[in-house]
Amino acid sequence: SSELTQDPAVSVALGQTVRITCQGDSLRSYYASWYQQKPGQAPVLVIYGKNNRPSGIPDRFSGSSSGNTASLTITGAQAEDEADYYCNSRDSSGNQWVFGGGTKLTVL
Amino acid sequence: EVQLVESGGGLVQPGGSLRLSCAASGFTFSSYWMSWVRQAPGKGLEWVANIKQDGSEKYYVDSVKGRFTISRDNAKNSLYLQMNSLRAEDTAVYYCARDYPGPIAVAGALDYWGQGTLVTVSS
Repeated sequence: SSELTQDPAVSVALGQTVRITCQGDSLRSYYASWYQQKPGQAPVLVIYGKNNRPSGIPDRFSGSSSGNTASLTITGAQAEDEADYYCNSRDSSGNQWVFGGGTKLTVL
Repeated sequence: EVQLVESGGGLVQPGGSLRLSCAASGFTFSSYWMSWVRQAPGKGLEWVANIKQDGSEKYYVDSVKGRFTISRDNAKNSLYLQMNSLRAEDTAVYYCARDYPGPIAVAGALDYWGQGTLVTVSS
């Protein structure tokens, strides 16, 4: 199986830009997807593929990747963006999923 | 509207069994792989298992192999997780999620999630 590594915590000032990263060997073969989870709620998909947003996700959320690193960027962070963010991708076999450990985003 | 509704969670003693269900609606259930993902209290997400559209392929995280069995009934639009030989470390909220294949094969995601059902393994 593969592993995905995320920073445990990141903070950003209201209205500023923040990048959350995810590293792992599987990201050389598969795009990461990103999930937002607020306390007591189920995860919500915010970015998938090269840089695709599901319907209803604000365009301040964007994704990118390079080599073994994927990034989620929030441009103009809002108070409601404070949440845990998880990356995931297929593992090296392509049949299973693997998640990063999650990043707690604080909006100051 | 896509909906996934889990049920079957509860308190079970170590070594016991539990069967989780996930009722799907709002999409053609038989056209999608489906997954179970769990989250222990205060911890991150952990993928548990997934199953192909016709049930012919199933994959599991190493920690549950031989103890958990994923299955589905496409006629009932339902996904199941049979959990046997439960351990304290299996305590978690269990989510079912739809495997979205993505616009290309390398761009998939888990695009819809249920609200989760809590499984507590304790004596």
